[in-house]
Amino acid sequence: NAGVMQNPRHLVRRRGQEARLRCSPMKGHSHVYWYRQLPEEGLKFMVYLQKENIIDESGMPKERFSAEFPKEGPSILRIQQVVRGDSAAYFCASSPGDYPQFFGPGTRLTVL
Amino acid sequence: DAKTTQPTSMDCAEGRAANLPCNHSTISGNEYVYWYRQIHSQGPQYIIHGLKNNETNEMASLIITEDRKSSTLILPHATLRDTAVYYCIVRVFYQGGKLIFGQGTELSVKP
Repeated sequence: NAGVMQNPRHLVRRRGQEARLRCSPMKGHSHVYWYRQLPEEGLKFMVYLQKENIIDESGMPKERFSAEFPKEGPSILRIQQVVRGDSAAYFCASSPGDYPQFFGPGTRLTVL
Repeated sequence: DAKTTQPTSMDCAEGRAANLPCNHSTISGNEYVYWYRQIHSQGPQYIIHGLKNNETNEMASLIITEDRKSSTLILPHATLRDTAVYYCIVRVFYQGGKLIFGQGTELSVKP
């Protein structure tokens, strides 16, 4: 039973480019969560999605960030016009609902 | 979700039990205690959770006081690979919802 998969594991972008981070939840999990960990800081919740729906986006920056979890395929976290402050580790987690969340290995985003 | 308080750091000798405390004095009746750990910037790893009874799995034991205002995570035979930041999180057990991570306890297991 494969765990949560994230790709790419490392992503380098120049300022102003777009970053797309993908998350494939564990089999049977219909709930996906994104968290961000800035350098030397704690994990912060960003967004919680179920299939085709955003349930809670209270942690998402108001601009440039968006997330989706389509009916088919992985969840996508999209960051438009990246800035150096977006450099961080982005973790995805999944759960079947009423069960603890299981995390992926993360995507390390570096903005040059 | 109730607030938790954990020591910033702890040391433990390899092979000994590691006892990590967590205070959650404002916990309410429908809130569970969850423990996660993060090993050197890897993805957080779920360890265990409980409501009021003590719980044990292959990784650890969770002891919750009778008044539920504090708990202790026990790693019975700590190894060097248990060196990590351990997070105690209190939240309602329902369908979905964010985890709020505090600063956690940095556990160093020493040979």
